[in-house]
Amino acid sequence: QKEVEQDPGPLSVPEGAIVSLNCTYSNSAFQYFMWYRQYSRKGPELLMYTYSSGNKEDGRFTAQVDKSSKYISLFIRDSQPSDSATYLCAMSRGSNYKLTFGKGTLLTVNP
Amino acid sequence: SQTIHQWPATLVQPVGSPLSLECTVEGTSNPNLYWYRQAAGRGLQLLFYSVGIGQISSEVPQNLSASRPQDRQFILSSKKLLLSDSGFYLCAWSVPGYSTDTQYFGPGTRLTVL
Repeated sequence: QKEVEQDPGPLSVPEGAIVSLNCTYSNSAFQYFMWYRQYSRKGPELLMYTYSSGNKEDGRFTAQVDKSSKYISLFIRDSQPSDSATYLCAMSRGSNYKLTFGKGTLLTVNP
Repeated sequence: SQTIHQWPATLVQPVGSPLSLECTVEGTSNPNLYWYRQAAGRGLQLLFYSVGIGQISSEVPQNLSASRPQDRQFILSSKKLLLSDSGFYLCAWSVPGYSTDTQYFGPGTRLTVL
């Protein structure tokens, strides 16, 4: 079983839709959870990070963590064509220098 | 604010030729530094990481090597490139001692080995 599983998609939605992106993990030692957005041919950029179970909001983005189910989600409200990118989840055990990444979900928002 | 640079942005090299990719970080001291390779359908593969000058940890045995000659400079090298070395190479940094290990990525170098 892989440590982090992420549906690669592709996911195609109309503009204005609510998007749900998800990752599951198997290692209960993971304490910190991040979402990165990567546009085509660019480096990943950090969108959000959280360490506790529950929700964290930042504008149109909400990160959700359920440690009991080992499941994290990123919700995008009122999706825009500019949100079209690959979204990577990442997680760490804390203070061991390393992140474990999902393979990414390719999202396309159609105008 | 912190900035991370990588060069070159793109590179086309013949099999068997040497390689040198450079990464520099501005605006922070003693960062943790990382080299990743991203191949289509395979996600991000951590190649090397460094917690200080001259300190390199290798994650994947291969014909690549890394060096950190200065605090904010990280170099990825190869003596002889293979076709399988083609990919998108990303440098990243993180704040030392920060428990979340959040990493910040550079713009990447796209390497094609022919």
